[in-house]
Amino acid sequence: KAGVTQTPRYLIKTRGQQVTLSCSPISGHRSVSWYQQTPGQGLQFLFEYFSETQRNKGNFPGRFSGRQFSNSRSEMNVSTLELGDSALYLCASSEGHGKNIQYFGAGTRLSVL
Amino acid sequence: AQSVTQLGSHVSVSEGALVLLRCNYSSSVPPYLFWYVQYPNQGLQLLLKYTSAATLVKGINGFEAEFKKSETSFHLTKPSAHMSDAAEYFCAVSVPPGYSTLTFGKGTMLLVSP
Repeated sequence: KAGVTQTPRYLIKTRGQQVTLSCSPISGHRSVSWYQQTPGQGLQFLFEYFSETQRNKGNFPGRFSGRQFSNSRSEMNVSTLELGDSALYLCASSEGHGKNIQYFGAGTRLSVL
Repeated sequence: AQSVTQLGSHVSVSEGALVLLRCNYSSSVPPYLFWYVQYPNQGLQLLLKYTSAATLVKGINGFEAEFKKSETSFHLTKPSAHMSDAAEYFCAVSVPPGYSTLTFGKGTMLLVSP
């Protein structure tokens, strides 16, 4: 089975731009979660999508949004980028029920200049 | 609210020595517990998990961890360190058990010297 795939692996943007990151979950997984990883704050939960609906949300501003498609693929969008948005963005997929083990992708490294 | 504390942001061992990475959690209900490893420029790889079955769980690459409810701990051990074990290790909890959202500790960087 293929693992969680995130594209692109690296992105460079400038302040004020917007960016879209993509995540393809493990086949059969219906839940996709997004995390932000920074040296200062560590790993922080952004949001989770299950069956095309946002099921949980972390404490991030509205500039961070996401969506999930009928094939369970997910995208997250960050609008009006700030320097502090520079981070590794990790996507995790799971079955969405039961033991619900989270499997992570390699991440997208976003640099905001 | 739940939380995870990893004691020591950096741990140094010699190749062949015992590895012990500490994790304590705070939770109002028994959680599921996980250890993930992150190599440079990569994502998180699941090392092992505790999901309320056996309290001693074995994972990949010779690692194991023991869930101790009385001590609210889930320390990660490996009898003999290898150079390839050098990486950052994260302890995480899922509360309530099976909840999709993970709460992570700050991570411990394991350094292995020859």
